[in-house]
Amino acid sequence: AQSVSQHNHHVILSEAASLELGCNYSYGGTVNLFWYVQYPGQHLQLLLKYFSGDPLVKGIKGFEAEFIKSKFSFNLRKPSVQWSDTAEYFCAVNIYNQGGKLIFGQGTELSVKP
Amino acid sequence: DVKVTQSSRYLVKRTGEKVFLECVQDMDHENMFWYRQDPGLGLRLIYFSYDVKMKEKGDIPEGYSVSREKKERFSLILESASTNQTSMYLCASSLLTAPYEQYFGPGTRLTVT
Repeated sequence: AQSVSQHNHHVILSEAASLELGCNYSYGGTVNLFWYVQYPGQHLQLLLKYFSGDPLVKGIKGFEAEFIKSKFSFNLRKPSVQWSDTAEYFCAVNIYNQGGKLIFGQGTELSVKP
Repeated sequence: DVKVTQSSRYLVKRTGEKVFLECVQDMDHENMFWYRQDPGLGLRLIYFSYDVKMKEKGDIPEGYSVSREKKERFSLILESASTNQTSMYLCASSLLTAPYEQYFGPGTRLTVT
């Protein structure tokens, strides 16, 4: 079965540090890729998505992600985190021709110390 | 703005009770989904529906059923609630076409005692 793996379960950073959260998926064909964020007490919202085209995708709040097909990866990055980035981050994959289902990773909890 | 609403934010039920969780979306989306979210396990798909009266099992359908009588409304039913169904339940919706970006409701935290 296809799966999505997020390597880091809990990341703790100081403000202004750089962030990279890993995401790998296990499917060799065409995919659509997503990063969602869940701030404390709020609903999941989309940070960014890759559908086609430029593999470097920019999202909201200064986040970006790079799709590397050869590595089956879609890592999330931000050059300088803020305390307000404290949240849980989920990577998700949609498999082409399997309809609208998303397969989610386990989530990474990010804590940013002021 | 897409809006997905869920009937309750918090719910406490007793073991054996029948529980209804309701979800409504206002963007005319064809797809609707029910997930449960548990720490360390991410989101796991319970059921989804791509049209009225149509449903498909997700990864963890046991102990749950669903109903979609109208396009905008998707209900999750726990026929006989058990303590291991204590969880956060999330509803989402999306279009029937790629890239299938899903929009989520605020969630219902269900506690079964």
